[in-house]
Amino acid sequence: KQEVTQIPAALSVPEGENLVLNCSFTDSAIYNLQWFRQDPGKGLTSLLLIQSSQREQTSGRLNASLDKSSGRSTLYIAASQPGDSATYLCAVYNQGGKLIFGQGTELSVKP
Amino acid sequence: NAGVTQTPKFQVLKTGQSMTLQCAQDMNHNSMYWYRQDPGMGLRLIYYSASEGTTDKGEVPNGYNVSRLNKREFSLRLESAAPSQTSVYFCASSELMMTATYEQYFGPGTRLTVT
Repeated sequence: KQEVTQIPAALSVPEGENLVLNCSFTDSAIYNLQWFRQDPGKGLTSLLLIQSSQREQTSGRLNASLDKSSGRSTLYIAASQPGDSATYLCAVYNQGGKLIFGQGTELSVKP
Repeated sequence: NAGVTQTPKFQVLKTGQSMTLQCAQDMNHNSMYWYRQDPGMGLRLIYYSASEGTTDKGEVPNGYNVSRLNKREFSLRLESAAPSQTSVYFCASSELMMTATYEQYFGPGTRLTVT
């Protein structure tokens, strides 16, 4: 059974710092991996989708990497801002397109 | 395009009451999903429908029923609500793309409290 784990559960950093969020999964037979952002009391915003054949995807200050063989993905946020404060969710697509989510990392960026 | 829409946005029920959460998508996707999210946890799959006319159980189906009314609409029913069903419910839809990859699109969620 696929399990997705995100470490750390919570992270607090000063504004301007570069940071890395980690995601690991137990079964390397995944199709895609997707990173989402969730603001308190809100829905999910898709940040980056990495196909299984890709190693990384970039969007602005965000860079996500995927290493299927080791069952790991990282989300790198450059020059963090208070507006980046949110919960970040990692999810993997198994066969049939079903998503398995991690528990999330709650990020707080202090001014 | 509205994407994925959900009604209602908020609902309070008493234990034992029933209700139906509605979800609709206008992207002509074949697959639709219902998830629940509890505090400090990621989303967990309740039921999904791979195509019109089919439904299957996910990770946490107990206490729920679903109906794929047509290609656009997928409803989730709580027959006898329990406090353990207090949660935020998300609907999603997806299509298998030409690149043989998937991407799910999510609705805004329904916040349900059962007292």
